[in-house]
Amino acid sequence: QKEVEQNSGPLSVPEGAIASLNCTYSDRVSQSFFWYRQYSGKSPELIMSIYSNGDKEDGRFTAQLNKASQYVSLLIRDSQPSDSATYLCAVKWSDYKLSFGAGTTVTVRA
Amino acid sequence: KAGVTQTPRYLIKTRGQQVTLSCSPISGHRSVSWYQQTPGQGLQFLFEYFSETQRNKGNFPGRFSGRQFSNSRSEMNVSTLELGDSALYLCASSPGLAAITDTQYFGPGTRLTVL
Repeated sequence: QKEVEQNSGPLSVPEGAIASLNCTYSDRVSQSFFWYRQYSGKSPELIMSIYSNGDKEDGRFTAQLNKASQYVSLLIRDSQPSDSATYLCAVKWSDYKLSFGAGTTVTVRA
Repeated sequence: KAGVTQTPRYLIKTRGQQVTLSCSPISGHRSVSWYQQTPGQGLQFLFEYFSETQRNKGNFPGRFSGRQFSNSRSEMNVSTLELGDSALYLCASSPGLAAITDTQYFGPGTRLTVL
């Protein structure tokens, strides 16, 4: 079983819709949770970080964390064509290691 | 603040050669992590250096090695290159502190092609 798993893509949503991305992680002592966005041919860039249970909103992005269920999600509201990218979920463990999921590719249809 | 820089950006080598990649972290960051990214395996952790010491290591063969200098700049070396080493090599820096808010920021990567 992989340490960090993301819902398989690709995910295609119409412009203006909500894109929902899910991520589950293994039963290890985890500290922090991150979502990175990676455009084709580019390096990952940080979108959001979340450290405690609940929701965290930043503009059109909302991250949700449920440590009891070992689950973290990312919602993209009012999706734009510029949101088309691969989204990587990352979990930081207590030994400082950062593990990444395989990524979910999102395509926003104009 | 300048971001993470990596050199070179592109590299073509042949099997059996060795290669050295360089990474300069964000000013003030003391931790540098290296990752290999391939279409089939995704982002895989190679190793992390903090204050010139290797703090963590992934599951890669000994052909992959690294080091960090006193100014926090880091180099990664791959010896006896294999075709399967073709990948995007990413460097990420962070303050490296024992805080849950410690966040990694990625450089642009080095695209290595092994022929």
